[in-house]
Amino acid sequence: DAGVIQSPRHEVTEMGQEVTLRCKPISGHDYLFWYRQTMMRGLELLIYFNNNVPIDDSGMPEDRFSAKMPNASFSTLKIQPSEPRDSAVYFCASSLTGQGKSYTFGSGTRLTVV
Amino acid sequence: GESVGLHLPTLSVQEGDNSIINCAYSNSASDYFIWYKQESGKGPQFIIDIRSNMDKRQGQRVTVLLNKTVKHLSLQIAATQPGDSAVYFCAEGRGGKLIFGQGTELSVKP
Repeated sequence: DAGVIQSPRHEVTEMGQEVTLRCKPISGHDYLFWYRQTMMRGLELLIYFNNNVPIDDSGMPEDRFSAKMPNASFSTLKIQPSEPRDSAVYFCASSLTGQGKSYTFGSGTRLTVV
Repeated sequence: GESVGLHLPTLSVQEGDNSIINCAYSNSASDYFIWYKQESGKGPQFIIDIRSNMDKRQGQRVTVLLNKTVKHLSLQIAATQPGDSAVYFCAEGRGGKLIFGQGTELSVKP
């Protein structure tokens, strides 16, 4: 398996623009997570899905952030409009129910909003 | 609010020595705990996990200890090597959700 695949690896955008981050989880995993990592706040859980259904989005900063999972093999995290304070590394992870060791992270997308 | 925190932000050890990284958690309802290693430019990588009904688990060169009485978790790395230099996170899992602590940076001196 190729692991969790995220794209793009790097994204630089201007303030006010829409940004879409993409994630392909490991085949067969039924949980998908979006995390944001910054020096100040560490790894924050934004939202997670179980069987393509959003379970907890309490970590989503505000309405500018939205996430979808249209099928078991694809998820997006969208920021519209983007702001400089959104600059961070965004990680996607997937796991299999009840198997903590199955949690696998992608390589992340480094977002810079200027 | 709920949090998983680490006692020390940085740890410097000599190559060959043993390392101990500590973690405190606040929610006694967590089902399991996981230690991750994150190298620069990469996502966190699984090291070892432990379920809440255990107090010790060993892997290759690593041992995790769980003390539920004081809500404390530790990661012991034996014979630390330069390749162990990274940021280490503890995370607690409950209801399918994984919450991370702030991380400890381990630096191994040759």
